[in-house]
Amino acid sequence: QQQVKQSPQSLIVQKGGISIINCAYENTAFDYFPWYQQFPGKGPALLIAIRPDVSEKKEGRFTISFNKSAKQFSLHIMDSQPGDSATYFCAAGASGTYKYIFGTGTRLKVLA
Amino acid sequence: EAGVVQSPRYKIIEKKQPVAFWCNPISGHNTLYWYLQNLGQGPELLIRYENEEAVDDSQLPKDRFSAERLKGVDSTLKIQPAELGDSAVYLCASSLMRTTYNEQFFGPGTRLTVL
Repeated sequence: QQQVKQSPQSLIVQKGGISIINCAYENTAFDYFPWYQQFPGKGPALLIAIRPDVSEKKEGRFTISFNKSAKQFSLHIMDSQPGDSATYFCAAGASGTYKYIFGTGTRLKVLA
Repeated sequence: EAGVVQSPRYKIIEKKQPVAFWCNPISGHNTLYWYLQNLGQGPELLIRYENEEAVDDSQLPKDRFSAERLKGVDSTLKIQPAELGDSAVYLCASSLMRTTYNEQFFGPGTRLTVL
């Protein structure tokens, strides 16, 4: 029940295309869903996050879509660029616990 | 503002040897986390500190792992003795406890190789 399932494991997208990464969770206590971006040799960095009181959040080219009833959320990267090539992790946390459960990661490669 | 600092960045040791990792969190951040990241996996929490108190160490293998955060600032994670399966990246993160949805800021990690 504590798992966060992430797919796909890897993704190749052409420059200018849309990258979509999906995550699903079981624990209904989760109420905070951040996405982290990690470049090789670096620690994860917060990209965008959403709370379940909204169904969508957009920041620049990055959008999170959230489906509370299905317990799923996804990251959309519009106009994908080679500089977006990195590993993306979804995570879920419950307020007050200060603990995140991370997905297994998606390695994104954007072809120039 | 300086980010989370970790050292060393890389460490290669023989099995059964001890090893220690150091973390300096972002100034003012009272919550500190140590995560383990295996190759191709997401980070997994080992221990969380609020100031100098370890408030969640349920995932820390206490037979060989230990951690401390003296004075509620810097932290050290130790493994003694190291095993082959401990080869991984050890990440440190920090956050402000008083925020409801605490953004965690990660350091670059220490990549440990146990031979």
